[in-house]
Amino acid sequence: DTGVSQDPRHKITKRGQNVTFRCDPISEHNRLYWYRQTLGQGPEFLTYFQNEAQLEKSRLLSDRFSAERPKGSFSTLEIQRTEQGDSAMYLCASSLELAGAYEQYFGPGTRLTVT
Amino acid sequence: LAKTTQPISMDSYEGQEVNITCSHNNIATNDYITWYQQFPSQGPRFIIQGYKTKVTNEVASLFIPADRKSSTLSLPRVSLSDTAVYYCLVGDKRDDKIIFGKGTRLHILP
Repeated sequence: DTGVSQDPRHKITKRGQNVTFRCDPISEHNRLYWYRQTLGQGPEFLTYFQNEAQLEKSRLLSDRFSAERPKGSFSTLEIQRTEQGDSAMYLCASSLELAGAYEQYFGPGTRLTVT
Repeated sequence: LAKTTQPISMDSYEGQEVNITCSHNNIATNDYITWYQQFPSQGPRFIIQGYKTKVTNEVASLFIPADRKSSTLSLPRVSLSDTAVYYCLVGDKRDDKIIFGKGTRLHILP
């Protein structure tokens, strides 16, 4: 296992389209996090899962955003009816609950451009 | 989640030692100090974590004074490849999420 992977790495879509991103965490990690990052800013927390349960969602996560982790392994983040303001890097991270939230391992991110 | 303050940006030259200081005046007893590094177009990378005194690994050293109200990340003999954003985070290991600030943009010059 070489770390957290995300797919796709880049996505260009037209406004109004739906997009879905996938994250595969480190296999033994039971926590999975999604973040959004725009230019010049630090990553902004969106949501996290412990196993398959989604335990917290940020107010940033509007109704157009939904995340799943159906079997407690990989996760998907879907954005419906994309808007230009959704353009950002979407980062996924995983961690072991026992290690605490501050030791997270991040994937390379998916860069979304909405035209 | 304790608030942290760190410089917005720093410049240094190859071969120099770089020290980035982070202030966290309201750090709580159970809080740890953690630093992440983020290269352009990559996700952040955990580099070091400490509670008090000094921690050293193959990447960096972390100095924490007795009052723990600040900490200093020290990067020895930097190279151009150390150009990155460095984030200082403070919180309890029992927290369930972390909140990133804007970090410190370190630019290494030849």
